[in-house]
Amino acid sequence: EVQLVESGGGLVQPGGSLRLSCAASGFTFSSYSMNWVRQAPGKGLEWVSYISSSSRTIYYADSVKGRFTISRDNAENSLYLQMNSLRAEDTAVYYCARGSPLGYCNAGSCHSSWFDPWGQGTLVTVSS
Amino acid sequence: DIQMTQSPSSLSASVGDRVTITCQASQDISNYLNWYQQKPGKAPNLLIYDASNLETGVPSRFSGSGSGTDFTFTISSLQPEDIATYYCQQYDNLPLTFGGGTKVEIK
Repeated sequence: EVQLVESGGGLVQPGGSLRLSCAASGFTFSSYSMNWVRQAPGKGLEWVSYISSSSRTIYYADSVKGRFTISRDNAENSLYLQMNSLRAEDTAVYYCARGSPLGYCNAGSCHSSWFDPWGQGTLVTVSS
Repeated sequence: DIQMTQSPSSLSASVGDRVTITCQASQDISNYLNWYQQKPGKAPNLLIYDASNLETGVPSRFSGSGSGTDFTFTISSLQPEDIATYYCQQYDNLPLTFGGGTKVEIK
């Protein structure tokens, strides 16, 4: 069974840091791109970051660029999100999501087409 | 950024009703459009990819259509277990963006 399990969420003060992890199982992790998607309380979905299977290609949403760093360890079947300089508006449930088997390329960028499956999410609360 | 506009934002329908949700892209995205279902307190689940392709294991009462800028998601006969929020998502351009969601309730 394909499974993604996030961890590392919690309460952090504005300006603080947090590192999220996502443990993958049930599939060949090294063959798939991965993504982080977040959802603020009571709000919709926002794509945060993408990493290719080899880590060669990485993209970020403008809202987190320069503050968040995505990485992966294919030997450990794990995905990470290092979050620095956290703001109140980063408060959300963070989901890791596997990218589509085949990516899509347009305008010089190649990325996931869809997200399937998703982990259960981990809540990050930024508050003093 | 490509803006995805979903309507309605919420709807209430009876069991057995046909339910239709629309999603409009701010520019032509061909058929690069997916639909997700999110039940309360759960992670989203992919239902339809590439505008009209049903993901494996998804009941056939769910369907999608459209191309260019206008897309439709349909539940042919609403069931109690379909209570959820539904999101469209485009992947033609970065950043990958979602519609605002449509909350479906039982009347």
